[in-house]
Amino acid sequence: RKEVEQDPGPFNVPEGATVAFNCTYSNSASQSFFWYRQDCRKEPKLLMSVYSSGNEDGRFTAQLNRASQYISLLIRDSKLSDSATYLCVVNKRSSNTGKLIFGQGTTLQVKP
Amino acid sequence: DADVTQTPRNRITKTGKRIMLECSQTKGHDRMYWYRQDPGLGLRLIYYSFDVKDINKGEISDGYSVSRQAQAKFSLSLESAIPNQTALYFCATSSGAILSGETQYFGPGTRLLVL
Repeated sequence: RKEVEQDPGPFNVPEGATVAFNCTYSNSASQSFFWYRQDCRKEPKLLMSVYSSGNEDGRFTAQLNRASQYISLLIRDSKLSDSATYLCVVNKRSSNTGKLIFGQGTTLQVKP
Repeated sequence: DADVTQTPRNRITKTGKRIMLECSQTKGHDRMYWYRQDPGLGLRLIYYSFDVKDINKGEISDGYSVSRQAQAKFSLSLESAIPNQTALYFCATSSGAILSGETQYFGPGTRLLVL
């Protein structure tokens, strides 16, 4: 079983749609959670951290469910520019070791 | 100017050749990392370094070596390249600070093809 699992997609949605991605992680001791965005042939960039109480940044909402060990990302009012691969990222242990585990990513394609 | 740079950006080499990928950063971070990315496998950690005198193996270090020449420089070497080392290689940095230290900043990547 992979330490971080994501549905690779692709998710094809029209502009303006709401889309949600889930990610599951296997290490119950993990304490830090993130969503990174990676555009085609480019480097990953931090989209947002995920906090226990859930957090929102504009059209993006992240949720954490520790009991079920999954993380979600909700994108409202999708834009063409949201087309990218979204990486779910979890730290390997309970402390700040700097070791992050990356999911394989979920690809989103927003169509006009 | 980019905070994390990698050279070369693209490289084609032959089996058995030694090559070096270089990474430099101007963010002043202590922590540096090397990853490789393969389709369907995501990013995997090769080596990481928390300061100039610290080098640690990641999950797939076999066939690779690293050198931390200075706080700002971290190079990855393939002593004898083989075709299954064909991948996209990323360097990353992080500050290690308590509140935000796990955010990693990536270089633009090096595409390596081993024939």
